[in-house]
Amino acid sequence: DIQMTQSPSSLSASVGDRVTITCRASQSIRSYLNWYQQKPGKAPKLLIYATSTLQSGVPSRFSGSGSGTDFTLIISSLQPEDFATYFCQQSYTSPFGFGPGTKVNIK
Amino acid sequence: EVQLVESGGGLVQPGGSLRLSCVGSGFTSSSYWMSWVRQAPGKGLEWVANIKQDGSEEYYVDSVRGRFTISRDNAKNSLYLQMNSLRAEDTAVYYCAREDPMYGYVFDYWGQGTPVTVSS
Repeated sequence: DIQMTQSPSSLSASVGDRVTITCRASQSIRSYLNWYQQKPGKAPKLLIYATSTLQSGVPSRFSGSGSGTDFTLIISSLQPEDFATYFCQQSYTSPFGFGPGTKVNIK
Repeated sequence: EVQLVESGGGLVQPGGSLRLSCVGSGFTSSSYWMSWVRQAPGKGLEWVANIKQDGSEEYYVDSVRGRFTISRDNAKNSLYLQMNSLRAEDTAVYYCAREDPMYGYVFDYWGQGTPVTVSS
């Protein structure tokens, strides 16, 4: 099975900061990498799919990049509503695993 | 507006059974693969199973294969998960999720989740 890891596991940032979250796959998943945002007690929300395609309605301050095994989610200017946990997920091969998550906290 | 609403969760003893349901609205469910994804308390997300538009194909994560059965009734815009031989490690919030029609296993809409607790 492909293992997904994320770093950091948590971070503290201020409104307006640029935030970078990385995701690594244990083997190549080409560009089959997706990002979700989850707030406490809520369902996950799709942010980005196929590495860099923004889901409809998602603000342009979110962006994704990478290929193969290494991927990045960037929030260019953190907003109050962005404090949440972010998960990456590979959709290349079964089982379609998720990373352990990165919690973005208010500094 | 796309909506998914799960129900059927609850407390069940180890070895017991439970059937989860998910009703969709705002889209034609027969046009989409559908999945169940779970999240153990304080943990990450785990894809559990999915089913093709017409119900002719089903796939499962190894840990539930042979115990869980996914099914659907497109006439009722409904998705189901029959869970048998439940174990403590099946305790989680179970979400139904719609898969993007162009990119498989990309979950573009999720329900609010239904909690399942397996405990004696």
